[in-house]
Amino acid sequence: DVKVTQSSRYLVKRTGEKVFLECVQDMDHENMFWYRQDPGLGLRLIYFSYDVKMKEKGDIPEGYSVSREKKERFSLILESASTNQTSMYLCASSRAGRVETQYFGPGTRLLVL
Amino acid sequence: AQSVTQLGSHVSVSEGALVLLRCNYSSSVPPYLFWYVQYPNQGLQLLLKYTSAATLVKGINGFEAEFKKSETSFHLTKPSAHMSDAAEYFCAVTSYNNNDMRFGAGTRLTVKP
Repeated sequence: DVKVTQSSRYLVKRTGEKVFLECVQDMDHENMFWYRQDPGLGLRLIYFSYDVKMKEKGDIPEGYSVSREKKERFSLILESASTNQTSMYLCASSRAGRVETQYFGPGTRLLVL
Repeated sequence: AQSVTQLGSHVSVSEGALVLLRCNYSSSVPPYLFWYVQYPNQGLQLLLKYTSAATLVKGINGFEAEFKKSETSFHLTKPSAHMSDAAEYFCAVTSYNNNDMRFGAGTRLTVKP
């Protein structure tokens, strides 16, 4: 069965802290994604990766960076957390291809105080 | 760039009634369209997807959607709502690769007993 796991379901951090969100998939997928979900805005792509050490910016990369050292693991890094980064963060993975289904993790709800 | 608009952020139906969730897309090239569902405190999971084969697409849990090019629509329907259908539903479109997928703002479905 397809599985995408995220390191934390809930996180509370202080402004200025460096925050790491980790995502692991067990399906040998080439593509991995980080989205941010906010009410009324749907999902917005932060970064995606199509291979180990490869990454591309999505629609809202400012304030974020990513790391993909192994195929199964994709990390999202908030270099200096700010209150406007309080949100739900969703990780997804998929095979490479135009109509491949994206499989999502359960999400991490981040609160920045 | 492609986009989707979901009409109605909240839809409420009675148990046993028809479910209709509306999605209109915009794309300069033939689109691929998806419906995802998100149950409380979970990630998104695929309901169904349109990949330019049959215009009427059947998905899981009795849902289906019809691609209508003339109306640029991909509305989601289910003949008879069940309490377990209460969730948030997202329409999504992609054109070239699934790494440029764009999600709608979501429609929250409430099912009344």
